[in-house]
Amino acid sequence: QKEVEQNSGPLSVPEGAIASLNCTYSDRVSQSFFWYRQYSGKSPELIMSIYSNGDKEDGRFTAQLNKASQYVSLLIRDSQPSDSATYLCAAATGGFKTIFGAGTRLFVKA
Amino acid sequence: DGGITQSPKYLFRKEGQNVTLSCEQNLNHDAMYWYRQDPGQGLRLIYYSQIVNDFQKGDIAEGYSVSREKKESFPLTVTSAQKNPTAFYLCASSIGTGTHSEAFFGQGTRLTVV
Repeated sequence: QKEVEQNSGPLSVPEGAIASLNCTYSDRVSQSFFWYRQYSGKSPELIMSIYSNGDKEDGRFTAQLNKASQYVSLLIRDSQPSDSATYLCAAATGGFKTIFGAGTRLFVKA
Repeated sequence: DGGITQSPKYLFRKEGQNVTLSCEQNLNHDAMYWYRQDPGQGLRLIYYSQIVNDFQKGDIAEGYSVSREKKESFPLTVTSAQKNPTAFYLCASSIGTGTHSEAFFGQGTRLTVV
């Protein structure tokens, strides 16, 4: 069974701090990795995608990929209360073969 | 505005009843997907379609049916054979099914059995 594992949390960080979210995947042939943000009762929103080893930065978000370790992470700098949500990690070998993790709940305390 | 529209937002089903969830997109995406989300669990793929008039079963297709008669539309029917249908249903689309195809979601339909 191909899986994507995330710590369910909750992860609690103070406002202004860096939030670090982690994810591991089991399928070594996975080529594409995505981070989605999901607010309670809402649908997932794509915030980052990463395809190559290393870091990818977009505003306050940095995605990190290490294919040798089968590890993906998302860093949120200067965390804001509005960042409080569940973050879903996903890995794909092809467009339809996307496996989602159960998500990590993040709370940013004002 | 381009996007994916799901309707209704909330749906109540009686025991033994079939219900259909609507999903329409105007993004000109070839691929469309249906996922189910249960509390504390990841998204599970029900069905996907890569092209009009073609669709494939996902991991949990039993008790569900779909059609893809138009590129823009991918309705999901939850049949009476689905014994535990209460869940949050999410429709998504992507440009294609290539490696770097990012999926975008509609706002979801919350289905409850009454």
